[in-house]
Amino acid sequence: DVKVTQSSRYLVKRTGEKVFLECVQDMDHENMFWYRQDPGLGLRLIYFSYDVKMKEKGDIPEGYSVSREKKERFSLILESASTNQTSMYLCASRSTGGYTFGSGTRLTVV
Amino acid sequence: GDSVTQMEGPVTLSEEACLTINCTYTATGYPSLFWYVQYPGEGLQLLLKATKADDKGSNKGFEATYRKETTSFHLEKGSVQVSDSAVYFCALSDRGSQGNLIFGKGTKLSVKP
Repeated sequence: DVKVTQSSRYLVKRTGEKVFLECVQDMDHENMFWYRQDPGLGLRLIYFSYDVKMKEKGDIPEGYSVSREKKERFSLILESASTNQTSMYLCASRSTGGYTFGSGTRLTVV
Repeated sequence: GDSVTQMEGPVTLSEEACLTINCTYTATGYPSLFWYVQYPGEGLQLLLKATKADDKGSNKGFEATYRKETTSFHLEKGSVQVSDSAVYFCALSDRGSQGNLIFGKGTKLSVKP
């Protein structure tokens, strides 16, 4: 089975900090995604990547950036964390068989 | 643009009750439709899917039929269990399994013994 691993289940960061959320998949998938999940808003796409060093903005990229230096790793970066970025962040990878999601990182910005 | 609307929760049912979660979509083409489930503390898992009109997806006792005429993909189960307690997301993709997913807002289901 494909595994998508997010390095942290829970994170607490201070306003203004630079935050890195890491995601690793073990099946050589080309496509990877970052979503944020908020109650009443569902999942919203932040960024995605279809190959190493390639990235595309999703629906809500403001305040975020991403890095894809290796195929298996897709990092989400909050350049200067703000309280409105407190959320659940979900990473996913995609193959011809469909999507596989990680378990999520719950980030709290204080 | 494409969008998905699903009934708002939370939904609370007793064990063995019937479940229907409504989902309607707006899309310019012929999307594929999905239901994902998120159990507490976990990521999303694909529950079922349908890729063309009149297709019925089914899994774990859940069913949904792709209705093009009503642009709907309602999730149904005849007898829910406590273990079905989760958040359910309806989603569409304009390019089958290769398109980006557009999600509804999610419906939280709680099943009481």
